[in-house]
Amino acid sequence: DAGITQSPRYKITETGRQVTLMCHQTWSHSYMFWYRQDLGHGLRLIYYSAAADITDKGEVPDGYVVSRSKTENFPLTLESATRSQTSVYFCASTPDLDNSPLHFGNGTRLTVT
Amino acid sequence: AQRVTQPEKLLSVFKGAPVELKCNYSYSGSPELFWYVQYSRQRLQLLLRHISRESIKGFTADLNKGETSFHLKKPFAQEEDSAMYYCALSGNQGGKLIFGQGTELSVKP
Repeated sequence: DAGITQSPRYKITETGRQVTLMCHQTWSHSYMFWYRQDLGHGLRLIYYSAAADITDKGEVPDGYVVSRSKTENFPLTLESATRSQTSVYFCASTPDLDNSPLHFGNGTRLTVT
Repeated sequence: AQRVTQPEKLLSVFKGAPVELKCNYSYSGSPELFWYVQYSRQRLQLLLRHISRESIKGFTADLNKGETSFHLKKPFAQEEDSAMYYCALSGNQGGKLIFGQGTELSVKP
């Protein structure tokens, strides 16, 4: 599934800094998602998007901002990073929620010091 | 509200033993349920979905609406089944796919 890529793979940042995680997919999938993976919590949905210029909050949106100006990109921005946002972030996409699986990126491991 | 619960963080079995990974859900409508798997150093990927009623890698899962469960079963576990397994639910609420906490399956030789 080289069609969905996340960058960077690893990021260390300081508390209070703004950081943007990138997600790019080459399939023109309509739906894109951002999840964070934490021990004991599994995968929690941060934000998702049903199409370009359409985004909606997931379970844990506070402290995050997303945009979807182009179908293929879905960046996730931490406006002022906090230590509680240390996590592994996964981006995913799918053309159709009913009939197609989610395709996941490799993840970005973010550490906030 | 949508909710998925996987009560076991870790499940350890011996090779050849049966395995059942539990998943319970809460949803007021008609849910779509899935199992995703993450093998070591690999991406999360779909294992199976309830509407397909298929068996993948020997795994099956039956949706029990009365018990609001979607347990994943395999009669004879293999070492290569060792992975992290996530149960997920999609409702008719505009695109949300909610995951459970995950269960790590360890199959010992």
